[in-house]
Amino acid sequence: DTAVSQTPKYLVTQMGNDKSIKCEQNLGHDTMYWYKQDSKKFLKIMFSYNNKELIINETVPNRFSPKSPDKAHLNLHINSLELGDSAVYFCASTTQELQGTHYGYTFGSGTRLTVV
Amino acid sequence: AQTVTQSQPEMSVQEAETVTLSCTYDTSESDYYLFWYKQPPSRQMILVIRQEAYKQQNATENRFSVNFQKAAKSFSLKISDSQLGDAAMYFCAYRRYGNKLVFGAGTILRVKS
Repeated sequence: DTAVSQTPKYLVTQMGNDKSIKCEQNLGHDTMYWYKQDSKKFLKIMFSYNNKELIINETVPNRFSPKSPDKAHLNLHINSLELGDSAVYFCASTTQELQGTHYGYTFGSGTRLTVV
Repeated sequence: AQTVTQSQPEMSVQEAETVTLSCTYDTSESDYYLFWYKQPPSRQMILVIRQEAYKQQNATENRFSVNFQKAAKSFSLKISDSQLGDAAMYFCAYRRYGNKLVFGAGTILRVKS
């Protein structure tokens, strides 16, 4: 009954490879996000989707491509992985509705990506 | 752009005592939300407490309370009766309605037994 689930939890891969991280939420939220947490623990937003539409696209290399097949899923595909892509990637969700929410995000448990 | 500043990279507290973590933010908006998230070594992001800017009353959740000073743009977190399980990285965060959550750099809290 996990609210926001990410897979895989750990990912070790070589430079130049292409990899995907998947995220699913069962909270009925309409907005999903990808955040990157770097080695200094700083959290920075990468992308946001609302009802399958891209609404936030921060300055991220175009090797990163999010895909939202429906409002419960948001995947992150990374092409030509580089050493600097090593980080923890968090998926999160929330709702833009006015009623009955705390307007915070619910986070997945993170995916630790290590590029060697 | 909104910014969130946590000026304390690291704090320590003795078990059972009280500690306050500082947070300031910069915004021109009048309606927004503020949060404290906890990230233990398991790396899970856990919502600790939230505050709506339109509410004057400070939020409280069991041993956790905030001191929200809207005019000063300050949002500190007080942890009473600190427990070993409180040891974690704490992030202050700001969100304007319908917009993204912006985080501070975090404060590492160490709890001594």
